[in-house]
Amino acid sequence: TQLLEQSPQFLSIQEGENLTVYCNSSSVFSSLQWYRQEPGEGPVLLVTVVTGGEVKKLKRLTFQFGDARKDSSLHITAAQPGDTGLYLCAGPVNSNTGNQFYFGTGTSLTVIP
Amino acid sequence: SQTIHQWPATLVQPVGSPLSLECTVEGTSNPNLYWYRQAAGRGLQLLFYSVGIGQISSEVPQNLSASRPQDRQFILSSKKLLLSDSGFYLCAWSVEFLPYNEQFFGPGTRLTVL
Repeated sequence: TQLLEQSPQFLSIQEGENLTVYCNSSSVFSSLQWYRQEPGEGPVLLVTVVTGGEVKKLKRLTFQFGDARKDSSLHITAAQPGDTGLYLCAGPVNSNTGNQFYFGTGTSLTVIP
Repeated sequence: SQTIHQWPATLVQPVGSPLSLECTVEGTSNPNLYWYRQAAGRGLQLLFYSVGIGQISSEVPQNLSASRPQDRQFILSSKKLLLSDSGFYLCAWSVEFLPYNEQFFGPGTRLTVL
């Protein structure tokens, strides 16, 4: 069972276009994280959202946490080739044996110059 | 500041050979530590996680094992590698800081089993 479903799985757009990536779940999360990963490197944390309905902006990237804390979206305005990479959402599932993190299926973004 | 190291960066091993990947974290105490495997361009599969020295939880049955001999050291091992063990291995750490439970990743190890 995949707790976090991302869509789309692949996205190829022209430089300057806008795009939105979705991360959906049937479970409630205390927070959700977004990561970007470039080929051959580890994922890099972009943002954490913790409050239902929260919106955070990171330059041209806008992250939103759903009101019910079951979903999140990442919107990129005027995409640049440097935005190319694999975008992953993740959510912690606390347990009495320590934190586990569930990762989404990933969205591979290619921005064509 | 905290840093996480993994080595080696790349590894090519024959089928049936042993494996040892090492991960160390600096700048934090008593972190939770994780090993993930990632197929090309895909999401992450959690293999093992540890909340303390000698405490290992396994998420996926396989021929891999993990050990945590020191607080900030996490080792991934295998006695005999299979072709299916090829992949990108990532180590990560986190500390419980509700609600900002965040993970931070190492640079990864590319393992190719021939």
